[in-house]
Amino acid sequence: GAVVSQHPSWVICKSGTSVKIECRSLDFQATTMFWYRQFPKQSLMLMATSNEGSKATYEQGVEKDKFLINHASLTLSTLTVTSAHPEDSSFYICSASTPAGDGYTFGSGTRLTVV
Amino acid sequence: QQQVKQSPQSLIVQKGGISIINCAYENTAFDYFPWYQQFPGKGPALLIAIRPDVSEKKEGRFTISFNKSAKQFSLHIMDSQPGDSATYFCAASAASNAGKSTFGDGTTLTVKP
Repeated sequence: GAVVSQHPSWVICKSGTSVKIECRSLDFQATTMFWYRQFPKQSLMLMATSNEGSKATYEQGVEKDKFLINHASLTLSTLTVTSAHPEDSSFYICSASTPAGDGYTFGSGTRLTVV
Repeated sequence: QQQVKQSPQSLIVQKGGISIINCAYENTAFDYFPWYQQFPGKGPALLIAIRPDVSEKKEGRFTISFNKSAKQFSLHIMDSQPGDSATYFCAASAASNAGKSTFGDGTTLTVKP
């Protein structure tokens, strides 16, 4: 149980376009989801906390207008990278608290490459 | 200010040996300390986690040792196998901070056959 599905697993887009990444909790409801960014051989950096039915909370230094987060249902949070540029190329990962409250389960990640 | 410091950055162990990775934290509000295993191109997977009310937790070949007074915790992998070769991250979070996790920098473990 407590599976988080992330889609797509990889995407290549042209500079200036927008890309949407989906994070779904498959067998549980997630009122809160987290979005992370990971550069090669580096750690996970929290970008924002996504709350169902309300605005996301962004970490310091993360551009709200560039990384749009929508959490419209209890099983789906989306991250849209707007007007993507090559420096946005990274590995994006979402996570959600497990129903038992004993931890967090992560999606499989999305590799974004902006060319 | 890095709140969770992880060491070593990389580790090479022979098959059957013990792998030990250490983490130290600063924020005394942290109340959940998980270890994650990550393979290339994949998201982290929870290995084992501990809360401050216990000093040790064991699950199979994986053991967390926790020292609250020293604000340190470690992961021990017994009988290390080549399939354990991955990057390991420690993390810490506080319920008082909406459960947001702070990760260590990661340790790349290589288990040689």
